[in-house]
Amino acid sequence: AQSVAQPEDQVNVAEGNPLTVKCTYSVSGNPYLFWYVQYPNRGLQFLLKYITGDNLVKGSYGFEAEFNKSQTSFHLKKPSALVSDSALYFCAVRAPGVSARQLTFGSGTQLTVLP
Amino acid sequence: NAGVMQNPRHLVRRRGQEARLRCSPMKGHSHVYWYRQLPEEGLKFMVYLQKENIIDESGMPKERFSAEFPKEGPSILRIQQVVRGDSAAYFCASSSQGSGNTIYFGEGSWLTVV
Repeated sequence: AQSVAQPEDQVNVAEGNPLTVKCTYSVSGNPYLFWYVQYPNRGLQFLLKYITGDNLVKGSYGFEAEFNKSQTSFHLKKPSALVSDSALYFCAVRAPGVSARQLTFGSGTQLTVLP
Repeated sequence: NAGVMQNPRHLVRRRGQEARLRCSPMKGHSHVYWYRQLPEEGLKFMVYLQKENIIDESGMPKERFSAEFPKEGPSILRIQQVVRGDSAAYFCASSSQGSGNTIYFGEGSWLTVV
């Protein structure tokens, strides 16, 4: 069975500082990894994904994530945080193969960027 | 190109009534997923459908919940005899064929059972 852990319920960072939102995963085979962001009372917006290739993936709004196979991690990063980045962030994993199409989500990390 | 469309956005039902939530996938997408988000919790997978077929319903409660994705029209998540514990946000998502393809989400349907 696949699983995702987001060890921090809450991350606070000052505007302009770099931010990191942590994610580790467990899956059989090579994982497909995703980050989504959710603003209050809204759906999830896709940020970026790792399928294969370069371990550093760049996504929307200046976000990037680094796939680390040995540590089974896929941490989300941004060099300079904005107040508007404040939202709920979800990491998700999907196993390859026909029988496992759905995403399994972490519990989410609330990011607050302080002005 | 319209995204995943869900309606209604907000639905209030009394205990014992039925709730029907509709989802139209993105154009060109043939895979539909339903997720539930309870207050202060993450998203839990419920069911995965393709046209006229339920592929995986391992996340669906055993009773009162059903889903369909007919040949024509939107996917429907149906909850019979709702209880207060069904109050949640229900998200539909869609993707095209292929395990690596991105799953895109709708804006959600917020069900409140009073």
